[in-house]
Amino acid sequence: QSALTQPASVSGSPGQSITISCTGTNSDVGGYNYVSWYQQHPGKAPKLMIYEVSNRPSGVSNRFSGSKSGNTASLTISGLQAEDEANYYCTSYTSSSTRVFGGGTKLTVL
Amino acid sequence: QLQLQESGSGLVKPSQTLSLSCAVSGGSISSDGYSWSWIRQPPGKGLEWIGYIYHSGSTYYNPSLKSRVTISVDRSKDQFSLNLSSVTAADTAVYYCARDNYGAFDYWGQGTLVTVSS
Repeated sequence: QSALTQPASVSGSPGQSITISCTGTNSDVGGYNYVSWYQQHPGKAPKLMIYEVSNRPSGVSNRFSGSKSGNTASLTISGLQAEDEANYYCTSYTSSSTRVFGGGTKLTVL
Repeated sequence: QLQLQESGSGLVKPSQTLSLSCAVSGGSISSDGYSWSWIRQPPGKGLEWIGYIYHSGSTYYNPSLKSRVTISVDRSKDQFSLNLSSVTAADTAVYYCARDNYGAFDYWGQGTLVTVSS
């Protein structure tokens, strides 16, 4: 299975909105509504931010939202804050009942 | 509050077997609807899913690691384990255990660094 494709980096200024894409295939992202997004700060374990494409776990800010169109899922962060600077990863369920991660995106808040 | 805690050797020699355990507390590993995954992250790199196990014992592995990976569960101890054989320096990573619901990893251990070196 091939890793999902994410941009290596994105950036935005405080208060702005950014979107991170996650592109897969019909066998993973496009085939199931089981796409999740994770935030990881340096030296910390990843934190679940979005599950099942667009659902937020309890306690996650509503500034984080997810969507999907075809084989590409997206994470949007609105009202950027300094603490949003982190690495972000997507993952998807696959047709083989396995999971596959994206390569990760480094978000810089300017 | 569910908690996961990895344990095991932090230093493994090349060609040997890496062995880690993950203890689950604050809940049961036999909870319906969840599987239990191992995930790793080489220094400075991204996350890689290794495999998962259900409490029934059914397993699924990353195809790229399948020939070297075994995940097992001990329901009596609320614990699951990872064995990775024939390790090389490329297996040096922080290894995480996590609760898994179709790829939604909602609870994670703090991670444990395993270094492969002679």
